[in-house]
Amino acid sequence: DAKTTQPTSMDCAEGRAANLPCNHSTISGNEYVYWYRQIHSQGPQYIIHGLKNNETNEMASLIITEDRKSSTLILPHATLRDTAVYYCIVRVATAYGQNFVFGPGTRLSVLP
Amino acid sequence: KAGVTQTPRYLIKTRGQQVTLSCSPISGHRSVSWYQQTPGQGLQFLFEYFSETQRNKGNFPGRFSGRQFSNSRSEMNVSTLELGDSALYLCASSLVNRDEQYFGPGTRLTVT
Repeated sequence: DAKTTQPTSMDCAEGRAANLPCNHSTISGNEYVYWYRQIHSQGPQYIIHGLKNNETNEMASLIITEDRKSSTLILPHATLRDTAVYYCIVRVATAYGQNFVFGPGTRLSVLP
Repeated sequence: KAGVTQTPRYLIKTRGQQVTLSCSPISGHRSVSWYQQTPGQGLQFLFEYFSETQRNKGNFPGRFSGRQFSNSRSEMNVSTLELGDSALYLCASSLVNRDEQYFGPGTRLTVT
């Protein structure tokens, strides 16, 4: 099972910031939080990842709470092309190693 | 730099047949992972290969197998196809010492 929980869906107005929350209350001290998105019928696209410091790249910002139990992905100026399913992932340890376990994600709809 | 490529993009097979899917990772990437995506189960991890060795696997039956070649290209094979194997099969590659994975466009397999 995924170690993260996300809202099922969210709407955002075009041009506004989209803030996507994620809870990962059982995260361990050395586990990173990853964000991917998947536009319909395409392969998932890597967005950003972080450990405990806030991170920013050309696509988004990642804000991780001090206790690391939750995080927020921020798309500063959402466009219609940002409509996608967004996955927040913490690797899950198994007998064979650490796997990326994708939950159902958040379906973000950017509205004109 | 070219992205992850997968061939074929679409495939139709009959129950009981076998199928081989191919993945070429990003140049310089040595780790290749495979995922199955279905509407009911979402994105599920199949296995990961590094330096021609399977180093991680998900919870799939032995009908699903894979291999990696010395040039890091990878193939996955599904034998004795079942209707439930109809899915989008995704390949992702990553560098040796970096965790973010880059996905290909996928192969859509339909079993009739």
